[in-house]
Amino acid sequence: SAVISQKPSRDICQRGTSLTIQCQVDSQVTMMFWYRQQPGQSLTLIATANQGSEATYESGFVIDKFPISRPNLTFSTLTVSNMSPEDSSIYLCSVSGDTSNYGYTFGSGTRLTVV
Amino acid sequence: AQRVTQPEKLLSVFKGAPVELKCNYSYSGSPELFWYVQYSRQRLQLLLRHISRESIKGFTADLNKGETSFHLKKPFAQEEDSAMYYCALRGSNYKLTFGKGTLLTVNP
Repeated sequence: SAVISQKPSRDICQRGTSLTIQCQVDSQVTMMFWYRQQPGQSLTLIATANQGSEATYESGFVIDKFPISRPNLTFSTLTVSNMSPEDSSIYLCSVSGDTSNYGYTFGSGTRLTVV
Repeated sequence: AQRVTQPEKLLSVFKGAPVELKCNYSYSGSPELFWYVQYSRQRLQLLLRHISRESIKGFTADLNKGETSFHLKKPFAQEEDSAMYYCALRGSNYKLTFGKGTLLTVNP
């Protein structure tokens, strides 16, 4: 399975600022996803990162708040913009191979605290 | 819409006892079901997928379409099984929907 490097692993940010999280994969993957895991909660899908086109956002998430880039098949970034304390969460990158590979691999996550 | 329900937030058993973590789902098509595990201070990792019909670390899970369930079972729990377990469903759009998770504690 693919190996994911996600960084930063954690950060403490001031409200009103932005943080960009990077996800680097050691092989080309078809699908990349970004999840949020709020304290004590399960994982919620933010968006699907599409290579060469705009990301597909889930209900409740918008591009202005969570802009995503995916310039190629091995790399994606998620930006958390104009942060507030409610954005304090763990953000995870996930990848899947081609359609015959039903497994998904997750990054180690970015623990974000907004003060 | 796809939904995954894990009714137990916490589950505590003694070492050597059987364990069953419940998972029910709601999906109109043919789902793909997974169990993920997250050990303390480690990343989320795949434990089982129903399509493989495999046993990993002594755990098994059978998809019951009639009851829309995918319960995770192990006949003899070990202390190292203590972790957070998430049931997940993948629909035709390849997106994973997770349950809220069950924290399993295996006591010595």
